[in-house]
Order: sequence, then structure tokens, then C-alpha cells
Amino acid sequence: AQRVTQPEKLLSVFKGAPVELKCNYSYSGSPELFWYVQYSRQRLQLLLRHISRESIKGFTADLNKGETSFHLKKPFAQEEDSAMYYCALPPLSGGNNRLAFGKGNQVVVIP
Amino acid sequence: DAGITQSPRHKVTETGTPVTLRCHQTENHRYMYWYRQDPGHGLRLIHYSYGVKDTDKGEVSDGYSVSRSKTEDFLLTLESATSSQTSVYFCAISGTGAYEQYFGPGTRLTVT
Repeated sequence: AQRVTQPEKLLSVFKGAPVELKCNYSYSGSPELFWYVQYSRQRLQLLLRHISRESIKGFTADLNKGETSFHLKKPFAQEEDSAMYYCALPPLSGGNNRLAFGKGNQVVVIP
Repeated sequence: DAGITQSPRHKVTETGTPVTLRCHQTENHRYMYWYRQDPGHGLRLIHYSYGVKDTDKGEVSDGYSVSRSKTEDFLLTLESATSSQTSVYFCAISGTGAYEQYFGPGTRLTVT
């Protein structure tokens, strides 16, 4: 069963508009969640982890246990935000540090 | 970037030939992973390693084998490459007690 769902494959937004990438998960207990970003033809980079409650490049993500969501938000999109974004979480138990990744969101910021 | 390199970065090979991809890390991390990335499928785990000589299968392991003879190197072998294995392959590492993974630059493999 898919444990991380990113429902929108492609999201196009205008520069300066807000952007929200949805991530829903299935997990019991308190998960540790991550967002990764991949710029064109580059390696995946860790963008955010919910434990640190930080804001990176203007992005934030709040864990909502009631809705089992960890949506990624930015109030004003920039052209350099065009990238693939992946949500990820650890296995339910054991798992040797594996992460389950969603299928990703392609974000295109229109100038 | 974490000290992770992959070689080769690009490779074109013919169907039926063996191919080995190398992942090298300088972080002394315990865990290493091989993923493939394909449009519409996102990242899929092929194999992973939880220590020297300790490996296990991921979700798409058919047609692939791995070896880890020392901490810093994790090899992915396609015994007999097929066109369905045309993909971008990423290596990742993570340390003990921390789930976040750090990725290599990727290898673009084309099987003709």
C-alpha cells in the first residue's frame, strides 16, 4: 500500500503566487517527515525536515497529524523554485533507515 | 554536497551486456541505497546496504545485484542489461540514528 501520496504530478504557478504541494501519509505514531527538492538534472537535496521546524528558501511545512498531511508551502513563488519535489517518511518499523518516497511533484513557475 | 560520487555519470550500452555502476562515499555512513528514477514512477528503491557485506532487496530488485566489500563503496550490477533498465540511477547514504538520506549526482544509463 502506498504510504506517501503526492496527488498532483504537475503544478504550474505564476511568479509571485503562492504555491502549495500536498503530501499525505499513512503512519501510526509520530512520523519523521522530509521534503526533498531536485533541480533540473541535479541530485536530490534535502529541503526540509519537520522535526527542525525550519524555513528553507522561503518554504515551510507543517505536520498535521489529524489530516495525516505534511504540505509544503511558499507564499511567493520564484522562478528558481521550478523543480521536482518529493515527500518522504521512514518505515513503520525497523527498515534499516529506508525512506518511502512519494512520486513527486513537478513545479513550474511561470515568469 | 555530502561526499558522494557516482561513476560513470553517463553510459550507453547494448542489450545483453553487463553493466556495473559505482557509488563512493567519504562520509563513513553505514547505510547506502540504490534508486532508479523514471518519469511517472518517482524514486524506486532497488537494493540497499546496512553494512559491509550486508545488503537487501528493495521494491524493484529483479535484474540487479549489489555488492559492498568496504564501507565507502556500493556497486550496482546489471547482469544482462535490458531496455527497461534505461533510467537515471541515484545512490544515497544515511548515517546511524538519522533517517535523512544524501544523494549522489546520478548516473544516466541508456540501454539500446
